[in-house]
Amino acid sequence: GESVGLHLPTLSVQEGDNSIINCAYSNSASDYFIWYKQESGKGPQFIIDIRSNMDKRQGQRVTVLLNKTVKHLSLQIAATQPGDSAVYFCADLSGGSYIPTFGRGTSLIVHP
Amino acid sequence: SQTIHQWPATLVQPVGSPLSLECTVEGTSNPNLYWYRQAAGRGLQLLFYSVGIGQISSEVPQNLSASRPQDRQFILSSKKLLLSDSGFYLCAWGPGQGTSRETQYFGPGTRLLVL
Repeated sequence: GESVGLHLPTLSVQEGDNSIINCAYSNSASDYFIWYKQESGKGPQFIIDIRSNMDKRQGQRVTVLLNKTVKHLSLQIAATQPGDSAVYFCADLSGGSYIPTFGRGTSLIVHP
Repeated sequence: SQTIHQWPATLVQPVGSPLSLECTVEGTSNPNLYWYRQAAGRGLQLLFYSVGIGQISSEVPQNLSASRPQDRQFILSSKKLLLSDSGFYLCAWGPGQGTSRETQYFGPGTRLLVL
């Protein structure tokens, strides 16, 4: 079946740098995408979402970019802080479905 | 604002014992409810979801079951636990309607260890 995947399992950055976490999806019918942050021992926390009629959406220190042509999604974190260290998941849904497909996650490690 | 609760936070159970995990949501009505399992270093596996009281859809065959006795209460159960049932169990809720109807919000999770 089609699934959402992540390019890198681990990303290490220095505090203050910008981080970019990538995600590839394969379902051409996907029209809604979500990024989650999961800290160790906790449940995933909603960060930001984007629909397929948009290419970019910004939140507080985070930006999600969607490239439908190559089925690619990225999460950019500006001025990364130690508190940003966590596993980041992307998920996609299609056609009004309530069942997302999650990737395995990328572990972001922020070095002080 | 909406909040989601899960308990217990951690649980150690012997093989063959029963299980009951509870999830409740506050601040919303008629939510979609979900149970996920997350194995160590793995992604999220959807176990059950519910769009209304008494309505349960199972995504994977297993020795677990789910029930929704009230609008904002979702229970995950087992009559006899297996070693393979160990994992991190997450409950989630979603609006099911509105502009972000598909979005899911997760609870704090229950870590289950079956020995």
